[in-house]
Amino acid sequence: DAEITQSPRHKITETGRQVTLACHQTWNHNNMFWYRQDLGHGLRLIHYSYGVQDTNKGEVSDGYSVSRSNTEDLPLTLESAASSQTSVYFCASSESGRETEAFFGQGTRLTVV
Amino acid sequence: DAKTTQPTSMDCAEGRAANLPCNHSTISGNEYVYWYRQIHSQGPQYIIHGLKNNETNEMASLIITEDRKSSTLILPHATLRDTAVYYCIVRRNSGNTPLVFGKGTRLSVIA
Repeated sequence: DAEITQSPRHKITETGRQVTLACHQTWNHNNMFWYRQDLGHGLRLIHYSYGVQDTNKGEVSDGYSVSRSNTEDLPLTLESAASSQTSVYFCASSESGRETEAFFGQGTRLTVV
Repeated sequence: DAKTTQPTSMDCAEGRAANLPCNHSTISGNEYVYWYRQIHSQGPQYIIHGLKNNETNEMASLIITEDRKSSTLILPHATLRDTAVYYCIVRRNSGNTPLVFGKGTRLSVIA
């Protein structure tokens, strides 16, 4: 069955380190999204992509970057991790033209100490 | 995209119908109503969507008022596994903007 997977599921890192969270989907969806979820803020959009070589900033993109070199993957990089980036991160994908019927991964819990 | 208003929390007895309301008074003619839910520690899950007609699938029913300013998600026989945060989202079915989540309604199904 097609799926979307995130790795790692849990990570602890130190302030200032570069961290990359992986997202891989096997639906061949063009659209991919990264969200973060914090208590009191709900799900907030970080970055998204509508296809290979396409990336767009979301509501809370500062300190994050993404690259889309193929259809299946959209890795999220924290250039210099900060304690404020401690959060649960969710990746999602959807078909072109049907952006709102999205499928979400199980999340990555990131702790920055 | 139109904004939505949902109650912060609701309780429902196990086996009874759970009716989750959503107000979207500024909805436009080309905007759909979508519902997602998020069970604790999991990613959000698509439930159902509709434009103006009532919709039903294996998970739930969606009732949209004639003026489309509000809707209700119905879980016909709630179980403990339906305890989750339910999000009502209004947006165009096509276009290049992602899902925008509000705070949702926390539904607690009680045995």
